[in-house]
Amino acid sequence: GQQVMQIPQYQHVQEGEDFTTYCNSSTTLSNIQWYKQRPGGHPVFLIQLVKSGEVKKQKRLTFQFGEAKKNSSLHITATQTTDVGTYFCAGRGTTSGTYKYIFGTGTRLKVLA
Amino acid sequence: DSGVTQTPKHLITATGQRVTLRCSPRSGDLSVYWYQQSLDQGLQFLIQYYNGEERAKGNILERFSAQQFPDLHSELNLSSLELGDSALYFCASSLQGTNSPLHFGNGTRLTVT
Repeated sequence: GQQVMQIPQYQHVQEGEDFTTYCNSSTTLSNIQWYKQRPGGHPVFLIQLVKSGEVKKQKRLTFQFGEAKKNSSLHITATQTTDVGTYFCAGRGTTSGTYKYIFGTGTRLKVLA
Repeated sequence: DSGVTQTPKHLITATGQRVTLRCSPRSGDLSVYWYQQSLDQGLQFLIQYYNGEERAKGNILERFSAQQFPDLHSELNLSSLELGDSALYFCASSLQGTNSPLHFGNGTRLTVT
């Protein structure tokens, strides 16, 4: 079945450093979504990518969808302590009738002040 | 506030017992998803409903069942509980269930003793 892996599993950075998490799917995706889960909280939707090679920006966050639609990345520029949390990608397959979102394993980010 | 309501917030029960988790989706959302998150783990997809009908199934155990009612609220039933079932159970809702963002509730923390 469809599997979605993320690397790294954990990342500690100094405040002000950049951070990137990578998401890789075993199958081609129809679209990919990114979520952030703060410690003790629930996942919160950040963005959705649909087109091959798509790049979207949200302030310091840059999201990319690979050309083959099997991988994606999230890059945070100049991290802040408010960026702490676990970042998940969630992909939906392309098989007709596929509706479920499979979440990646997540990358837990810690930002040291 | 995501608009998704989950009850109860916490549940402590013994092995072998049966519990019911309830979810009220955001107003207007037709699709409901259930995910299981074990301690410091990712989100495991259990099941999805769309407008009252089951739409997608993940690795949901036979001891677990769910349904979505005509008013669109959903219930997840867990029976013959085992210690390993202890986890955070999230419900999420979305408008359509394909390219719509998932809005998560605050989760129900189940502890099986």
